[in-house]
Amino acid sequence: DGGITQSPKYLFRKEGQNVTLSCEQNLNHDAMYWYRQDPGQGLRLIYYSQIVNDFQKGDIAEGYSVSREKKESFPLTVTSAQKNPTAFYLCASNDRGPNQPQHFGDGTRLSIL
Amino acid sequence: AQSVTQPDIHITVSEGASLELRCNYSYGATPYLFWYVQSPGQGLQLLLKYFSGDTLVQGIKGFEAEFKRSQSSFNLRKPSVHWSDAAEYFCAVGLLLPDTGRRALTFGSGTRLQVQP
Repeated sequence: DGGITQSPKYLFRKEGQNVTLSCEQNLNHDAMYWYRQDPGQGLRLIYYSQIVNDFQKGDIAEGYSVSREKKESFPLTVTSAQKNPTAFYLCASNDRGPNQPQHFGDGTRLSIL
Repeated sequence: AQSVTQPDIHITVSEGASLELRCNYSYGATPYLFWYVQSPGQGLQLLLKYFSGDTLVQGIKGFEAEFKRSQSSFNLRKPSVHWSDAAEYFCAVGLLLPDTGRRALTFGSGTRLQVQP
């Protein structure tokens, strides 16, 4: 079955450490997105990519970095510059066109040790 | 800037009762509208979407939503709620931003649904 796979499901970060969240999709979608979800809030866009080797900052990109070397992969690195990284991170993808719904992975919960 | 408002943070209904979750958006043109559902610790699943045409759209799991342009609303409804419907529901607005070409999806803050037996 086609879908989006996020790993790991749970991740812990030490002070000063960078961690990378994986997102892989086999839906052949061009666009991929990373969102952050905090309790009681909606999803906030961190980064997005509409095509391989290109990505753009979303609304809360500070302290995060991404790459898009392959169509199916869009890893997110939470750097030590992100002072409040504890959150639920969701990856999504969709086909071209603003009317195409986004499909979501099951998320990664990041916590600070 | 566009925005999405879900005025009800938390709603409790009895099993078998009807349900309506409210969503209002702020945007100059007709947006693309979506409802998603999220179970605890899971990703979001698309319930239904509206782009144009018939303003009453049917989705999965017996849900429907009605687009009302005059009220800038896209409320989600279900005639009879099941215990398995307990989850968090998000309304979202999809836009194509002409200056960046970005396909933005703006989410409301969500409504948590609790179902009483």
